[in-house]
Amino acid sequence: GNSVTQMEGPVTLSEEAFLTINCTYTATGYPSLFWYVQYPGEGLQLLLKATKADDKGSNKGFEATYRKETTSFHLEKGSVQVSDSAVYFCALSMDSSASKIIFGSGTRLSIRP
Amino acid sequence: GAVVSQHPSRVICKSGTSVKIECRSLDFQATTMFWYRQFPKQSLMLMATSNEGSKATYEQGVEKDKFLINHASLTLSTLTVTSAHPEDSSFYICSASRASGAPSYNEQFFGPGTRLTVL
Repeated sequence: GNSVTQMEGPVTLSEEAFLTINCTYTATGYPSLFWYVQYPGEGLQLLLKATKADDKGSNKGFEATYRKETTSFHLEKGSVQVSDSAVYFCALSMDSSASKIIFGSGTRLSIRP
Repeated sequence: GAVVSQHPSRVICKSGTSVKIECRSLDFQATTMFWYRQFPKQSLMLMATSNEGSKATYEQGVEKDKFLINHASLTLSTLTVTSAHPEDSSFYICSASRASGAPSYNEQFFGPGTRLTVL
């Protein structure tokens, strides 16, 4: 079946460090891929998405490129801030209405000042 | 815009009692609402999808009589865990989406979650 695997956390970095959170997927067909972020005490928010191969999603300095050949959608940011501390979820959906989203297990990111 | 709230944020109950969790879309009309369950360090698992005014569609393995879902209005859905037992302890998250054709209609907006502990 369809699934998402992302690196386990927690990930702890110093401010201004480079961030990569790995995400790979298994899917029959061509999914849309997402990164969601959950700040402490809040709901999940859509961070970025890509709907087809080679698309790059970007938002708030974060980027992820849909790589069909490696079935990956790694999240990157060049210089993290303390305010980026949160849990990040990689996810996929097989339909355009995003009615069924399959989530990875989440990666907790902590940024030290 | 697109804010979803849940109430309560945390609940502790005794085994055998029923617990109701509310999910509200505060500034938009949600034609579809989703209920997820999350175990520690695991993925969010979709439990059911509900459309306003109709019966919920449950995912395989989710007991309908155990997890009662009502979506009586365009801004409110409720999940009732009936005769709760310790194994029902979990983090329950709802999300809501707008009607087809509305802005961002194919995006789900998530609530902050409800932590249920059954003693």
